[in-house]
Amino acid sequence: AQRVTQPEKLLSVFKGAPVELKCNYSYSGSPELFWYVQYSRQRLQLLLRHISRESIKGFTADLNKGETSFHLKKPFAQEEDSAMYYCALSGLTGGGNKLTFGTGTQLKVEL
Amino acid sequence: GAGVSQSPSNKVTEKGKDVELRCDPISGHTALYWYRQSLGQGLEFLIYFQGNSAPDKSGLPSDRFSAERTGGSVSTLTIQRTQQEDSAVYLCASSLYGQQETQYFGPGTRLLVL
Repeated sequence: AQRVTQPEKLLSVFKGAPVELKCNYSYSGSPELFWYVQYSRQRLQLLLRHISRESIKGFTADLNKGETSFHLKKPFAQEEDSAMYYCALSGLTGGGNKLTFGTGTQLKVEL
Repeated sequence: GAGVSQSPSNKVTEKGKDVELRCDPISGHTALYWYRQSLGQGLEFLIYFQGNSAPDKSGLPSDRFSAERTGGSVSTLTIQRTQQEDSAVYLCASSLYGQQETQYFGPGTRLLVL
């Protein structure tokens, strides 16, 4: 079975402070991990995926297979980063890819 | 181009009534997914379509839930004899075949069962 755990429901930081949103997973195969973001009154959208190893809006995430983690990090939080963040794991289902989401972390960046 | 659309955006119904939720995927996307977003529960996978067939229905919570897809495009999620615990935001997503790790989400339908 595949499972994604986001231990923090709410993370509050000050503008300019570093951010780390935690994500741990369990999966028997080779995982593909993603971060999705939902800004206020907007639809859920892909932020980044581990295979791309890219930085989006200053955010990065490294897959640590030893710790089964995929934490999302940003060195300096901005007010516009305030949103709901979901970590997701992709697993095969009937030939397609099913996303298993964590429960999400609400990030609040305070001035 | 147009993104994934869902209708209605909001639905209030009485316990015991049936509801139908509609999803229009992005044109050309053969894969379609339904998820449920409940308060404190995150996003829960319901069902996956590849074309008109549903190879994975494992997330449907009970036999009151069903979904179909016609013409490889529009999908309808039907909830029969609604219960209060069905209240949630129902999200639809679509993706291209072969790029199914990148799913594009609709705005959701917020369902409230009184």
